[in-house]
Amino acid sequence: EAQVTQNPRYLITVTGKKLTVTCSQNMNHEYMSWYRQDPGLGLRQIYYSMNVEVTDKGDVPEGYKVSRKEKRNFPLILESPSPNQTSLYFCASSLMGGVRDGYTFGSGTRLTVV
Amino acid sequence: KQEVTQIPAALSVPEGENLVLNCSFTDSAIYNLQWFRQDPGKGLTSLLLIQSSQREQTSGRLNASLDKSSGRSTLYIAASQPGDSATYLCAVRLSGSARQLTFGSGTQLTVLP
Repeated sequence: EAQVTQNPRYLITVTGKKLTVTCSQNMNHEYMSWYRQDPGLGLRQIYYSMNVEVTDKGDVPEGYKVSRKEKRNFPLILESPSPNQTSLYFCASSLMGGVRDGYTFGSGTRLTVV
Repeated sequence: KQEVTQIPAALSVPEGENLVLNCSFTDSAIYNLQWFRQDPGKGLTSLLLIQSSQREQTSGRLNASLDKSSGRSTLYIAASQPGDSATYLCAVRLSGSARQLTFGSGTQLTVLP
């Protein structure tokens, strides 16, 4: 089944403890992206990658890192999480950056930083 | 900067009614517009994708239209069912930008049995 898989689905952590949220897609998509969703603010892009080894900042990149060493994986790294990073996170992918195709989203990761 | 607005923010209808959700965007230079469904605390499920050259797309009881020149799209749901209850999001893919999708804030739909 074609899908975007995020892990974990739920995560509670403490301030300052480094964590990684994994994202993997099995559709050979070139484009991948991370979003966070917050009440009243909607979905905002954190980082995106147009291909392997190519990443760029979205609208809210502060406090996050990403890497794209393989086409299928696009992990989101929080080096020193803070409570304001408590949010619902989504990974998405598309074949051609959404120009002719749409986006496929993962099921989300609910992160709580205490 | 592209802005996407969805009205109404919330909608409650009795089962069986036909309904229309609205999405408007400020910059008509788009590649396409995509409608998503989101159940509480869950991921986004793609419903329909309309390319800028198209006027509408249909899938089952859903029909989405696009008027690029006026910056509007509608999602029509026929014969609504309680299982249609969810938040519906529209997102536009701005042309000439690598920054990807701009989302509306969504319409929370409740279909009452």
